Amino acid sequence: DAKTTQPPSMDCAEGRAANLPCNHSTISGNEYVYWYRQIHSQGPQYIIHGLKNNETNEMASLIITEDRKSSTLILPHATLRDTAVYYCIVTLAGANSKLTFGKGITLSVRP
Amino acid sequence: DVKVTQSSRYLVKRTGEKVFLECVQDMDHENMFWYRQDPGLGLRLIYFSYDVKMKEKGDIPEGYSVSREKKERFSLILESASTNQTSMYLCASERGGTTDTQYFGPGTRLTVL
Repeated sequence: DAKTTQPPSMDCAEGRAANLPCNHSTISGNEYVYWYRQIHSQGPQYIIHGLKNNETNEMASLIITEDRKSSTLILPHATLRDTAVYYCIVTLAGANSKLTFGKGITLSVRP
Repeated sequence: DVKVTQSSRYLVKRTGEKVFLECVQDMDHENMFWYRQDPGLGLRLIYFSYDVKMKEKGDIPEGYSVSREKKERFSLILESASTNQTSMYLCASERGGTTDTQYFGPGTRLTVL
């Protein structure tokens, strides 16, 4: 029972912003949106998470719509090293919560 | 910086062998996880542990067991390896509490012949 829907792939040019969409129309009020990415042959890496406000850190920005049914991960200046599979995950935050990874979106950054 | 290490990057075993995959984290995290990753199936949770000597089944526990004798170490055991257990195995740890940032190890690619 997938909680999130992401397109299978997208690409963007190096140096441009990459906007990765995610739909989570059944999200409940106490569930967070998390983003991870997995570069080829490595373990997944945490990027950012949020509840309802937009969030920004040194890696990315997370924009969550007001109704919380979708979100967008923004990599402001994509580089070739950002080529990876990006996972959008919805989960309850708290002790013993589990992350369920879907198939993610493959981002290809072209030179 | 959190560091999660796994005992091997690559492992080749024969059908029927007992296989141990070790994972160690250095940040005193409460929770630890074992996943497997297969093409087209994404990451699937095998087992997790939220305390020493505690374990809970994930989504695909069949054919696996785990051991957590010390807080920093979480072992995945394949009692009798089979070819359908050929996969990438990923370990993760997490502090627990209100933020669920999981930190992953580099993975062990296991091939069962």
